[in-house]
Amino acid sequence: EIVLTQSPGTLSLSPGERATLSCRASQRVSSTYLAWYQQKPGQAPRLLIYGASSRATGIPDRFSGSGSGTDFTLTISRLEPEDFAVFYCQQYSSSPWTFGQGTKVEIK
Amino acid sequence: EVQPLESGGGLVQPGGSLRLSCAASGSTFSSYVMNWVRQAPGKGLEWVSGISGGGGSTYYADSVLGRFTISRDNSKNTLYLQMNSLRGEDTAIYYCAKKAADWYFDLWGRGTLVTVSS
Repeated sequence: EIVLTQSPGTLSLSPGERATLSCRASQRVSSTYLAWYQQKPGQAPRLLIYGASSRATGIPDRFSGSGSGTDFTLTISRLEPEDFAVFYCQQYSSSPWTFGQGTKVEIK
Repeated sequence: EVQPLESGGGLVQPGGSLRLSCAASGSTFSSYVMNWVRQAPGKGLEWVSGISGGGGSTYYADSVLGRFTISRDNSKNTLYLQMNSLRGEDTAIYYCAKKAADWYFDLWGRGTLVTVSS
């Protein structure tokens, strides 16, 4: 099973700042089979990024993904008030499909 | 487009059973691989099970293999999860989620809470 480790656990930033979230895999994730989700309190997760760098439908271009192999990054170029949430990475390179433990982006 | 809505959660004793349902609107339900993903209170996400569009192929996480059964009724646009021999660690919000072009999930329901406790 591929274990995904996200860092940091919590990121305290102000609106307008840049957020950089990391996701590291215990084994190589083939073909950039990595997705990112955003989850707000009391809501279901929302798909942001798939294929490591492709934005899902309707996702603003301030969200971008990068990386390959075992190291992946989600970047939010300028935080908007609605962006504060918990973010999860997920690998779909090999079953079982696994998620990271999450990074909380909170308002500083 | 498929829009899932889960139901059937509740409080159940350890060792008990529960059946979750996920009703999906839209005419293309049978085209999609559907899944259950759970989230324990205050914790991260865990993929639980998936089923092919026609129902002929099913997939399970090791943690539920032999205890949970996924199924679907495409005539009713409904996905099911039969949960037996429930344990405290099965306590979670259970989400119904649609598989996208690959094994990531592009549409989620709002979830239903299952609590396993005596």
